[in-house]
Amino acid sequence: GAGVSQSPSNKVTEKGKDVELRCDPISGHTALYWYRQRLGQGLEFLIYFQGNSAPDKSGLPSDRFSAERTGESVSTLTIQRTQQEDSAVYLCASSPWGTGYEQYFGPGTRLTVT
Amino acid sequence: KQEVTQIPAALSVPEGENLVLNCSFTDSAIYNLQWFRQDPGKGLTSLLLIQSSQREQTSGRLNASLDKSSGRSTLYIAASQPGDSATYLCAVPYNQGGKLIFGQGTELSVKP
Repeated sequence: GAGVSQSPSNKVTEKGKDVELRCDPISGHTALYWYRQRLGQGLEFLIYFQGNSAPDKSGLPSDRFSAERTGESVSTLTIQRTQQEDSAVYLCASSPWGTGYEQYFGPGTRLTVT
Repeated sequence: KQEVTQIPAALSVPEGENLVLNCSFTDSAIYNLQWFRQDPGKGLTSLLLIQSSQREQTSGRLNASLDKSSGRSTLYIAASQPGDSATYLCAVPYNQGGKLIFGQGTELSVKP
């Protein structure tokens, strides 16, 4: 079946503009995660959705970052008033349940803020 | 606070060698440990998931071991090939949330 998909694959934006990144999880996966990978650095957790529970937003770096998910489907990550330090690869993952289950990653969106 | 460390940061070996990548974690109360591969400019590919109750997990030329008490996991790659060249990452879930804590990765280069 289809894996996790993300769009766009690449996004170049000017500092101060808003951007929206999209993630389509594997069908039936109740858990969805966003991570960020800045150049030369490790992966950082951003936000986690599990079913209809309140999302875990503990990894969001500032209030410029927000994410939504409708039910168990698509998620969007929005970055407002982008800064150069937001440049990174944004990765989305999904899993069948949550803790203890294998996470499957999408190809990522490479965001460049000029 | 859970911290994950991978050693070495980079490794270069000739084709055909067997090799071991190391991963250590500070909090032994983990649910599982996952090994991933990341090719340049690409997302992560899951290689092996080893549950906390397991000692080993095998897939083809890959074998992952887990020793919770000592906070260590190893990924053994047999008969390495140039196509194995990539960055290998290990990760553990953080407490009750499923979010993963990643190591910094080992960049592997297999020379023909």
